[in-house]
Amino acid sequence: AQRVTQPEKLLSVFKGAPVELKCNYSYSGSPELFWYVQYSRQRLQLLLRHISRESIKGFTADLNKGETSFHLKKPFAQEEDSAMYYCALKSGTYKYIFGTGTRLKVLA
Amino acid sequence: EAQVTQNPRYLITVTGKKLTVTCSQNMNHEYMSWYRQDPGLGLRQIYYSMNVEVTDKGDVPEGYKVSRKEKRNFPLILESPSPNQTSLYFCASRAQGAGEAFFGQGTRLTVV
Repeated sequence: AQRVTQPEKLLSVFKGAPVELKCNYSYSGSPELFWYVQYSRQRLQLLLRHISRESIKGFTADLNKGETSFHLKKPFAQEEDSAMYYCALKSGTYKYIFGTGTRLKVLA
Repeated sequence: EAQVTQNPRYLITVTGKKLTVTCSQNMNHEYMSWYRQDPGLGLRQIYYSMNVEVTDKGDVPEGYKVSRKEKRNFPLILESPSPNQTSLYFCASRAQGAGEAFFGQGTRLTVV
């Protein structure tokens, strides 16, 4: 079955500490994975996609096909990083499968 | 400005009273989708559309209808809303062949 798992509902870290938001997937084909972010009372917006291998706002994510993971990392968390983060898998042509989301709280 | 616009942003209604949530995009995208967002369940796809007059069910289509008469619009229709449809709804659009989806600002629906 195609599935995206984000095991942590809430992750609290102190400002300046490293952050890792976990995402594991189950997909039979070649996966296309994304991280979306939702700041308070705002729409979801794309943060990263694995194809582009870019760093946005200091965040990076590497696709590990052996571990079927796409964890989101940032070396030094900032207060403005506090948000809801969703890992998403593009399943076929039309469908996205979203994880249940992880709320990141960065404490001062 | 490229965007996806949903209306209304907030809606409180009573059980059984038909309602429509509109979604419009100005990016000429072929694909459009509706999601509902519930605590602990993340986003679940309700319906999607591949192009004008072409729609299909997502994971949780029961109690919802959609139509795609024009490329830019993809309304979500609740013929007889029930309290279990109280949720936050998002419309999204995407260009054919592209990965990134653009989301609307969301519609918070409460059915009493």
